[in-house]
Order: sequence, then structure tokens, then C-alpha cells
Amino acid sequence: GQNIDQPTEMTATEGAIVQINCTYQTSGFNGLFWYQQHAGEAPTFLSYNVLDGLEEKGRFSSFLSRSKGYSYLLLKELQMKDSASYLCAVVNTGGFKTIFGAGTRLFVKA
Amino acid sequence: GAGVSQSPSNKVTEKGKDVELRCDPISGHTALYWYRQSLGQGLEFLIYFQGNSAPDKSGLPSDRFSAERTGGSVSTLTIQRTQQEDSAVYLCASRKDGRNTGELFFGEGSRLTVL
Repeated sequence: GQNIDQPTEMTATEGAIVQINCTYQTSGFNGLFWYQQHAGEAPTFLSYNVLDGLEEKGRFSSFLSRSKGYSYLLLKELQMKDSASYLCAVVNTGGFKTIFGAGTRLFVKA
Repeated sequence: GAGVSQSPSNKVTEKGKDVELRCDPISGHTALYWYRQSLGQGLEFLIYFQGNSAPDKSGLPSDRFSAERTGGSVSTLTIQRTQQEDSAVYLCASRKDGRNTGELFFGEGSRLTVL
């Protein structure tokens, strides 16, 4: 079976740091993506991890532990525009099907 | 094209009618996905096309749903005898090739409302 879990909602303060967790159980693993989706818009790519460790890209970083089936997205120096849904997605083996979690809605308050 | 194009952007239909949703992927992209997103929910996988391979239809919720991709480019998602629970945003995404390392590029979606 396939299961991707993320918290439903999170709230954080402008300028702070927030960590959004994702755990997964999938039939094979071929990489994990994070996408950002603002309300009413299409998802846009943030990061990709296939090996264990931390990938840093500006204010955003993504971590992966394959043995634990765990990833997190770290957002630093939060800005109001970071208020959005953050979707964790896993690519399984074989058909390279990309499966998404339900997403985490992040609210950034002043 | 420059990006993934979907049409119509909005469709309101009556229960029992058939609808067709169109996706025009980025030129040269061989992989194409359809997802469904209900209000406030995540993306539900529907179907995946990769080149000339047989599509992965494992996410289609019922036999009322079908999709085709002609000439390896444009795709059409057809929903027959629509039901109210089919109301959602239908998102199409394309990827440069079948390798897992490529990001998905999404269209703006087709919002379907079944009355």
C-alpha cells in the first residue's frame, strides 16, 4: 500500500523558522518532492531528495531519511507570502508514479 | 508551448452529462499526469502517460473516467455520466521524461462543478 502523512495545518510567525514533516510508506522509493501551492493556483516545485541528507536552497531546505521513511521541509525567515499549502510527493519504483500527500496548510502571521 | 495549458478553466455541468477536459503539455515533455483535487484536499492521482508505453490507469476512480493521449502530446480526460462527487479541480502535469528526477510542471487546472 501507499501512505503519505503530513500535518494538516501549521501556524508560524513572520521571521521565524518552521519545519513541516512528512512520513511515507510506499511500494518502492525513487525520490521525494516538495511542492508549494498557493490558494487557487497550481503547485510549483520546491525541492527534490533521493539520497539521505539535507538539501539547501535559499530560505528552504529539505531533509530525507530513507531508512525512516521521513522527510521534512524547513522554511527560514518566514514571510507572509510563504502562507500556502506544502505538498510532499513520493515517486515509487517501476512506473515512476508520483503520489502526493494531502498537504500541510501553513499560515504565517505578523 | 511555454507552459502546460488546460481547458476549459471552468466547467459547470448537470448531473448525468459527459465532460471532456483537455491538457496540452509542455512541448517535448514525454510524461503526462492527471490529478484530481477536491476543495482543501491533496492531489489524488488519476492516470499517467509515458511516451508510447501503456498508461498507468490505476488511479481512475470508476469506469466513467477515461483518458487518452494522442500523438504523445495532447491529452483528454473524459468523465461520463457526471456525478456531484466528481466536482473538483482537475490538474494536468507534464515532465520532460520518465525519469523520476524531473519536476512536474502543472497547468492551472480545470474546475469542474456538477450540479
